[in-house]
Parts: sequence; structure tokens; C-alpha cells
Amino acid sequence: SQKIEQNSEALNIQEGKTATLTCNYTNYSPAYLQWYRQDPGRGPVFLLLIRENEKEKRKERLKVTFDTTLKQSLFHITASQPADSATYLCALDAGNNRKLIWGLGTSLAVNP
Amino acid sequence: GAVVSQHPSRVICKSGTSVKIECRSLDFQATTMFWYRQFPKQSLMLMATSNEGSKATYEQGVEKDKFLINHASLTLSTLTVTSAHPEDSSFYICSASEGAIGELFFGEGSRLTVL
Repeated sequence: SQKIEQNSEALNIQEGKTATLTCNYTNYSPAYLQWYRQDPGRGPVFLLLIRENEKEKRKERLKVTFDTTLKQSLFHITASQPADSATYLCALDAGNNRKLIWGLGTSLAVNP
Repeated sequence: GAVVSQHPSRVICKSGTSVKIECRSLDFQATTMFWYRQFPKQSLMLMATSNEGSKATYEQGVEKDKFLINHASLTLSTLTVTSAHPEDSSFYICSASEGAIGELFFGEGSRLTVL
């Protein structure tokens, strides 16, 4: 069955450093992959979408890579700030009517 | 980005009562909306896909008579949890997309507590 794995343990980093989060998937070939941010008690907020034919995508301090051979996406936040502290979710298209398959998310804490 | 509004954000009800949650796309038309459920430290679980003007498509294991979905207009979908029980307590979130593929815009979520 299709499976998505994200770093299960919380990631703690120092302000100003680069945070790198991992999303691995198996038994699937998604046409695109997305990253979302979720704060406690709130709905997810879209960050970036990367298609299968794109290697890398950037948006301000965010960078996403997509390696379809390794079946892995990396999400980077450069010059991290305490306000970046949140849970980050990886989602893949299920190939069917815009449904997405979701990872459990990785909790990021940026310490001042 | 597009805005999706969800109401109420929190609701507490007695066991056996029904609760309605509204999801509105404020600045775009959404022919399709998605309803999710999320337990603490768990992934988003898709419950159903709400289609404007037609019946919702439910995921396997989700009781359609328990979770009634109505998508009467291009900007409004409702989820009614009927005869709620404590095990229905959860965080319910709706989402919508503007295009054929692409990002989902989520509502703020609704925390349901059934006593």
C-alpha cells in the first residue's frame, strides 16, 4: 500500500540555522508533492507544490527538492526563526480527483 | 491565497445530539471540497469528498449516515455529525481547491467535544 514517512521525532534547531525535513514515500509514483504548515489547533496552510519533473522549488526562505528515484522530498527552511516553529506536513497526490495522501508531519522547534 | 472559512471553531455537545459544521469558500467557487478528521498526533484522515450538486463520495470505513455532507452551492459545504457520541470527538477540517490540481486551502478547523 502507499506509504509516506516523515521524521517522527521533533526537530529542534537554533535560530538562524537551516532546518531540513524529510519526506519519504513507497509504492507510489506521485505526479506532485506538497508541503504544508500546521499550527496547533489550526488547519494546514499550503507552502509549496513541486511536480515530478521538477527537481527543486524555492519560495523566499523555503526550498523543496523532489527526487523521484530516491522517492524522497527534502524541505529546507533557511535562516530559521522562532516563528517557523510548527508541524510541517508532506502530502502526495493520490492520482484520483485531487485526493492527497498525508504524512504524520514533523514538529519543528526553532529556539531563540 | 484563497480563503476558506469554517464555523464553529469549537463545539461541545451532549451525546445523542447532532452538530453541523459549515465550510465556506470566501473568494472563489469550489466545486469540490474535502472533509478531514484529525486525532492528536495523527495524520489528516480524509473522510469524504463533497461535490456541488451531487452526493458526496465517502472514504472506506466512514459511515455516510453518520456524517451527512451537503454541498448545496459553489461556496458552501456542510458536515453534520448525527447522533454524536464521545468517540466522534475530534478535530474536523474542511478544504477546497481552486483548480484541477494544486494546493488545498483549509478552513480553521472545528474542535468537536461530545460529552
